[in-house]
This record gives sequence, structure tokens and C-alpha cells, in this order.
Amino acid sequence: DSGVTQTPKHLITATGQRVTLRCSPRSGDLSVYWYQQSLDQGLQFLIQYYNGEERAKGNILERFSAQQFPDLHSELNLSSLELGDSALYFCASSLHKGTFPAVLHFGNGTRLTVT
Amino acid sequence: GENVEQHPSTLSVQEGDSAVIKCTYSDSASNYFPWYKQELGKRPQLIIDIRSNVGEKKDQRIAVTLNKTAKHFSLHITETQPEDSAVYFCAASISSTGNQFYFGTGTSLTVIP
Repeated sequence: DSGVTQTPKHLITATGQRVTLRCSPRSGDLSVYWYQQSLDQGLQFLIQYYNGEERAKGNILERFSAQQFPDLHSELNLSSLELGDSALYFCASSLHKGTFPAVLHFGNGTRLTVT
Repeated sequence: GENVEQHPSTLSVQEGDSAVIKCTYSDSASNYFPWYKQELGKRPQLIIDIRSNVGEKKDQRIAVTLNKTAKHFSLHITETQPEDSAVYFCAASISSTGNQFYFGTGTSLTVIP
């Protein structure tokens, strides 16, 4: 168990809908990362938060947004869903508090199916 | 920004043989290089990592080598077993820029019994 908790495990929804994915990082970790993995594809970096603030942005669509709350959990909001948004969404966390290296730990993912 | 390339994309080996996966990176500031193993439908799991001040690291059947001059690093798996079959991702990280991680595109390893 990595210590990173993602809910829900599975999500099935229709095109045009909006969903929220939730992530609780490992205890003590300040950075949260979101990745999208489509079928047989690599890990596409979406966004990174550090201690509540956006730190880096990757290939995140404008229909997607995220935030990190004061208790350090994070939510990824996906709206106006399309069939192509069906994927495994991973959250990962790292300490990033001056320690080196800041090891990245992944949650078990949320499998989103858009029908 | 950093660019990580990974080869090969697929690799098949006979059980007991060795497997080598290679990655190159572009930013000389990268100083941490982890390797992740992902089984089908599961999360990527860290299997070994190496820091930029180390040239080689070994953990039982797995080893990683780093050539900073050439900007490449490799994963070596010896005496492969069927349970080694998975997708392997390399990554490069720059600790000075907020610990962003740049992943390779993955290598699907199949160990044939």
C-alpha cells in the first residue's frame, strides 16, 4: 500500500457530465500530482500542486481543473466529458520539503468510463 | 523543458535471460532517476532509483546505471521470471524546480516461460 488514497475506484458516466476525483496524499507529503493514462498509453502529466498552490501544469484540458485543499487532499474536476476522456487517472504524492530525493508514490487510480 | 525518451517500446525475452531498457534525458539539471513497474490495471510502483551522484545501483536481480555525460540511464533485469512481465517506466526529476517528474513512454516487457 502506497499510502495514497484515491476515490472512487471506478466511475461510469455519460458524455457531457461532470465528475470529481479525490486524492488523499501520503501522510506528510506536500505535493500532489495528477496523471492520465489512456488504454495502452503512457502517463500523461496533468497538474501538480504543492502545499495548496499550483506548481506545474502539463497537458491539462481547459475542461479539467484541480485544487489542493488546506488539509492537502486534492480534487480533479472533469467537465463536459467526452468519450476520449475515458482513462485511468492516477494521483501521486511526494514530500518535497527540502528532502532529496522526493520519491513519487502513486495511488491505485480511478478508472473513468464515459459512455 | 526536460524530455525523456525510452527504448524499446516492447521487449520479449526468454525466462532466465536478461532484459535491458534504456532511457535518455535532455536536461543536465536532472538529478534523480526512478524506475516504475506497472502491472496491468494497477498503479506504477517504484522498483529502483538512482541519484545523479551515483553511477550504478543494484537490488537483487535489478540494477540501474547512469551515464551523466551521455545523459542516459538503463534498467537491467537479470534472470528474468514470468512475474517480471509488466510495463516499465523511467523518469527524470529535477529537484530544484519543484520536483517535476518527466516520464518515458514505457516499455512492455514479456517474459516467455
